[in-house]
Amino acid sequence: QVQLVQSGAEVKKPGASVKVSCKASGYTFTSYDINWVRQAPGQGLEWMGWMNPNSGKTGYAQKFQGRVTMTRSTSISTAYMELSSLTSDDTAVYYCARTIDFDHWGQGTLVTVSS
Amino acid sequence: QSALTQPASVSGSPGQSITISCSGISSDVGSYNLVSWYQQHPGKAPKLMIYEGSKRPSGVSNRFSGSKSANTASLTISGLQAEDEADYYCCSYATSTPSGVVFGGGVVFGGGTRLTVL
Repeated sequence: QVQLVQSGAEVKKPGASVKVSCKASGYTFTSYDINWVRQAPGQGLEWMGWMNPNSGKTGYAQKFQGRVTMTRSTSISTAYMELSSLTSDDTAVYYCARTIDFDHWGQGTLVTVSS
Repeated sequence: QSALTQPASVSGSPGQSITISCSGISSDVGSYNLVSWYQQHPGKAPKLMIYEGSKRPSGVSNRFSGSKSANTASLTISGLQAEDEADYYCCSYATSTPSGVVFGGGVVFGGGTRLTVL
């Protein structure tokens, strides 16, 4: 069965960077785009960008341009999302999700930004 | 501010039907049949309920249905059950988002609707 397993919770200080991983199993990793979505506490879903694991091509929401980097390691079927220059507004649960339909989701990774 | 507009809350009694609307514009809902709907219970990851406007993934109850008219998509849940109580989000492919154009296209979400089963 398709599974996306994310890395554990992180606590970061303002100005730092965080890198979240998303390990895929149960399907051919390079055949489906990976998207990243975040959800601040008590808020709705916010799309951050997509990555094609085969080509490595990416597309980022303009809000995150210059601050987010999405990469992958095809040898271990893992996608990564790195967000830099963190502020308290970046405190959220970060999800990876497969394809433009978001048909499968990771369990989420809580990133807390606090001094 | 979300790109797609949903009602903040809806409610219904067990057995009833409810509809959640999702209003967009011509560069998202109006132009593409790529609207999807997600159910999210507290503390859980969202779950895909409808994709490409009206298709149900395997395992999703046929009590859930989706439709679209012009720039507005809708999710209907018939025969409401207690377990349907959750937050629901619509989502659409878009060539333009509130924060600008995205290379290769982007995605916009609605603000979410809290469904209460009375």
